[in-house]
Order: sequence, then C-alpha cells, then structure tokens
Amino acid sequence: GNSVTQMEGPVTLSEEAFLTINCTYTATGYPSLFWYVQYPGEGLQLLLKATKADDKGSNKGFEATYRKETTSFHLEKGSVQVSDSAVYFCALSLLIQGAQKLVFGQGTRLTINP
Amino acid sequence: DSGVTQTPKHLITATGQRVTLRCSPRSGDLSVYWYQQSLDQGLQFLIQYYNGEERAKGNILERFSAQQFPDLHSELNLSSLELGDSALYFCASSVGHSGSTGELFFGEGSRLTVL
Repeated sequence: GNSVTQMEGPVTLSEEAFLTINCTYTATGYPSLFWYVQYPGEGLQLLLKATKADDKGSNKGFEATYRKETTSFHLEKGSVQVSDSAVYFCALSLLIQGAQKLVFGQGTRLTINP
Repeated sequence: DSGVTQTPKHLITATGQRVTLRCSPRSGDLSVYWYQQSLDQGLQFLIQYYNGEERAKGNILERFSAQQFPDLHSELNLSSLELGDSALYFCASSVGHSGSTGELFFGEGSRLTVL
C-alpha cells in the first residue's frame, strides 16, 4: 500500500542548529511529495513540495529533495530559529482511480530553544 | 490565510449530543477533505468529496456523516458524541482534478470538546 514514515519526535534543538527530519515513503506509482507545517494553534500549511524524482523543494530556508532510489524526502534546514517550533508532516499524493489521495506521516514535533 | 473557512472555531457540548461543522473551500476548489486530529492519534483522514460526490472514505465512524452541497461547501455531522470524539477537526480543499499535484489547503480547524 501507500504509506509515509517519519522520524519520531519530539525533536528538541538549540537555535542555529542544523535540522534533519527523516521521511521515507512507499507508493504504488509516482507520487508528489510534500512537507506541511502546523504552528501552535493553527491549521496545516504547505511548506514545500516536489513533484518528480530529483526535484528539490525549498521555502523559508527549508529544503527537501525527492530521492526515488531511496524513496525518501528528508527535510533539512541549516540554521533553525525559535519561530520554527511546530509540528512537521511529510505527505505523498497519488492519483488513484481519478481522485487525488493524500497520505500523511504521523508528524514530528520540533521545539527550538533560544 | 489559506482561503478555507471553517465554523465554528470552538464548540463545547455534552455526550450524546449532535453537532455540525461547516467548511467553505477555497474559491475554485472542487475537492473537500475532512481530517480529525487528536493528541494521541495524529492526523486521521475521515472522508473526501469531489464536486458533490463522495470520493474516498477513511477512518470515519458510522456516527459521523458528511456531505458536499452544490455550492461546494461541506458539512461534517457528528452524532451520539462520546468523550473520545474531542479533537480538532480540519477541513482542507484542493483543485481536485487529475491535473493537480494534490496540494491541500487547510482551514484553521474546529475544536470540539465533549464533556
């Protein structure tokens, strides 16, 4: 089946540290891949996306590269800030029987300490 | 602002009661999704509608039902409420057709507390 596995949280880092949140997927087909972020008290919002192998999505200093050979889409940021504290969700999207189906990982809670 | 509007933002009710959550999708989006988010179970997909028709069903209880109306807004009905139904309920919308990449736009959620 189609699934997304994320690095278990919570993750706690100091400001300016390097961040990696691992994400791997299994899919029957060629999915699009996404990272969504949920700040405290808010809904999810798209952080970045990649629609085909070797694409790199980037936004707000975050990056993730679609690696088909390792079925991975790891999220990275070179220097995190307190304002990056949030829950991060990795997701894939596939067209199945004419409908877009989105599958989410379980989410990784990130806390950045000053 | 995602363009997806959910009402009410907060709702407190008692066990056994019934509530209706409402969602207006982004202008032009045909597909609406409902998700439940609780502390211990993460984000659970409930149901998806596309242009008024049910497209996919997830872990939606029989006590819950949803519909999408001709103007594309959607309602999620929760009945015979139990304490365990307390959660954040999110609506999301997308363009929905096969040409899209599947990106979802989420509302801010409706927080349901069952006492």
